[in-house]
Amino acid sequence: ETGVTQTPRHLVMGMTNKKSLKCEQHLGHNAMYWYKQSAKKPLELMFVYNFKEQTENNSVPSRFSPECPNSSHLFLHLHTLQPEDSALYLCASSQSGTGVRGYTFGSGTRLTVV
Amino acid sequence: AQTVTQSQPEMSVQEAETVTLSCTYDTSESDYYLFWYKQPPSRQMILVIRQEAYKQQNATENRFSVNFQKAAKSFSLKISDSQLGDAAMYFCAYRGNNAGNMLTFGGGTRLMVKP
Repeated sequence: ETGVTQTPRHLVMGMTNKKSLKCEQHLGHNAMYWYKQSAKKPLELMFVYNFKEQTENNSVPSRFSPECPNSSHLFLHLHTLQPEDSALYLCASSQSGTGVRGYTFGSGTRLTVV
Repeated sequence: AQTVTQSQPEMSVQEAETVTLSCTYDTSESDYYLFWYKQPPSRQMILVIRQEAYKQQNATENRFSVNFQKAAKSFSLKISDSQLGDAAMYFCAYRGNNAGNMLTFGGGTRLMVKP
């Protein structure tokens, strides 16, 4: 049990589909993050939420839509994606305001856009 | 903006030997935190070790230790007595005080351990 759970583990979707990725943490953290991990590229920060409020949108295309209904849950809604969006999407959490102890990560969702 | 560079895309080590993974970073801050994360095939990023920049003493966690050279902006990871389970991607990360909670990651080093 990692403390951060991501579902689904794998997802294949067409470019016209709408799907959602889910992240859940039971660590009492109040900051949550979405990262994109593509082959041969550094991890790219997508979104940051502190106490359910979005505090960072790292120039992410609008076809990615995050949602944070509470401090324990984070969603990433996907629609009309492109093949280049295929990647591993990682969710992480930390204590807000610090992050000095690093993040706790989930195991990611492997997304393939066909 | 801070950048983190890992110049070794791949490294290999014989089981029971020692290996050092390199990491350099660029920052104008004086107070910050550095991390090494391990990502095995299971994909979950696991925190290996962290270093606080204001501490001169190098952090150590069992077989893992760092060589933190603040003036050189270098933060290498040494793995002693390498084990097969150490095979993974290793990522260096930086957390400054001027960017909220956010971590900036390097491009990663793939470590292979030979039996």
